[in-house]
Amino acid sequence: GAGVSQSPSNKVTEKGKDVELRCDPISGHTALYWYRQSLGQGLEFLIYFQGNSAPDKSGLPSDRFSAERTGGSVSTLTIQRTQQEDSAVYLCAISGGGDTEAFFGQGTRLTVV
Amino acid sequence: AQSVTQLGSHVSVSEGALVLLRCNYSSSVPPYLFWYVQYPNQGLQLLLKYTSAATLVKGINGFEAEFKKSETSFHLTKPSAHMSDAAEYFCAVSGSARQLTFGSGTQLTVLP
Repeated sequence: GAGVSQSPSNKVTEKGKDVELRCDPISGHTALYWYRQSLGQGLEFLIYFQGNSAPDKSGLPSDRFSAERTGGSVSTLTIQRTQQEDSAVYLCAISGGGDTEAFFGQGTRLTVV
Repeated sequence: AQSVTQLGSHVSVSEGALVLLRCNYSSSVPPYLFWYVQYPNQGLQLLLKYTSAATLVKGINGFEAEFKKSETSFHLTKPSAHMSDAAEYFCAVSGSARQLTFGSGTQLTVLP
């Protein structure tokens, strides 16, 4: 999607390894979200960053998942000790907040083997 | 708390026929409502949004949706389906929570 670049586009990793997924948004959007899209679970909210406020981590499924946003721009989602159930498409989105729409990246397809 | 229910995980229509994708929402505050479309192996693209202005919202590609508070619905319609409309459609709500809450999606198939 325009304005949000995610890398890598595809990632295959072995069970138990750590992975880092990157989201690189255009500047000017204060809110950044991570979602997970998997078969049978639909689109799940993971974490939300808004400006300098503490992130809303309420959607993270376990303590193996963490995310940070540096300088109010680039964000990295880290999954430690990956499990097969972590296989999904991880989507990053940016927004001006409130009633403004979210713009989504193309996603990173993670496959844990 | 907020939630979205999309009735029908799969909808098939003939080319040229009316498209109707159903969405009902629950929100403890006046909601903002969105429809997104996802084509295969792509991210989500906004079709339209409702933000408490006009209840009938027009979006891209000939789609529109009507906000009906009494029915807590925000159904998506298009008068005449095109083959290129085949995709998965997601209804979403944001309100008291900053993040979007999505429905489970409706896969639209357009038959020739």
